[in-house]
Amino acid sequence: GAVVSQHPSRVICKSGTSVKIECRSLDFQATTMFWYRQFPKQSLMLMATSNEGSKATYEQGVEKDKFLINHASLTLSTLTVTSAHPEDSSFYICSARLPGSGLDEQFFGPGTRLTVL
Amino acid sequence: SQKIEQNSEALNIQEGKTATLTCNYTNYSPAYLQWYRQDPGRGPVFLLLIRENEKEKRKERLKVTFDTTLKQSLFHITASQPADSATYLCALGGGGGYQKVTFGTGTKLQVIP
Repeated sequence: GAVVSQHPSRVICKSGTSVKIECRSLDFQATTMFWYRQFPKQSLMLMATSNEGSKATYEQGVEKDKFLINHASLTLSTLTVTSAHPEDSSFYICSARLPGSGLDEQFFGPGTRLTVL
Repeated sequence: SQKIEQNSEALNIQEGKTATLTCNYTNYSPAYLQWYRQDPGRGPVFLLLIRENEKEKRKERLKVTFDTTLKQSLFHITASQPADSATYLCALGGGGGYQKVTFGTGTKLQVIP
């Protein structure tokens, strides 16, 4: 099956610093990746859709200058949380679809736990 | 506004029994509905997809039904095992962009040996 990896799996940073999270499709090329955020005991909330070679599409209420997304290649999308604050602490998960797979499934990464002190 | 409801209470069930989880939605006309499994601290894993014109779908011990009149999906795990213990998420797609899915909050299932 298709594998999506994320790095790092866990990061702790000081308030005001920026953190970059990588999402890679290991054995397939993903023209579209999705970034989600999940707070404890809450649902996954879609933050943005990342399209290779073009600008990301952000969901309503998500600050594009705060959460920078770069999808520079068919196997890599990055999410940078700029000037992180404690309220940005969350579980960030990316996903990708296999090209041509239609609607069948999204392959999710293992997630990145961000803690901002 | 669109709303997806899953049982917020954890579901405890004896090993070997059938677990039934519910997903209800309002103000939504999804083209398809998906079920995922999520273990603590991990990303979701896709289980099944059912389209709006399908009533039922099965995969091994899993069965999903989709009633667009009731706006409800039921997810069944037969002969449940302790390894089935996890949080199960339903996700609806087809609104606001065909590729985009909206997730419910999930129901935590605990299978007791």
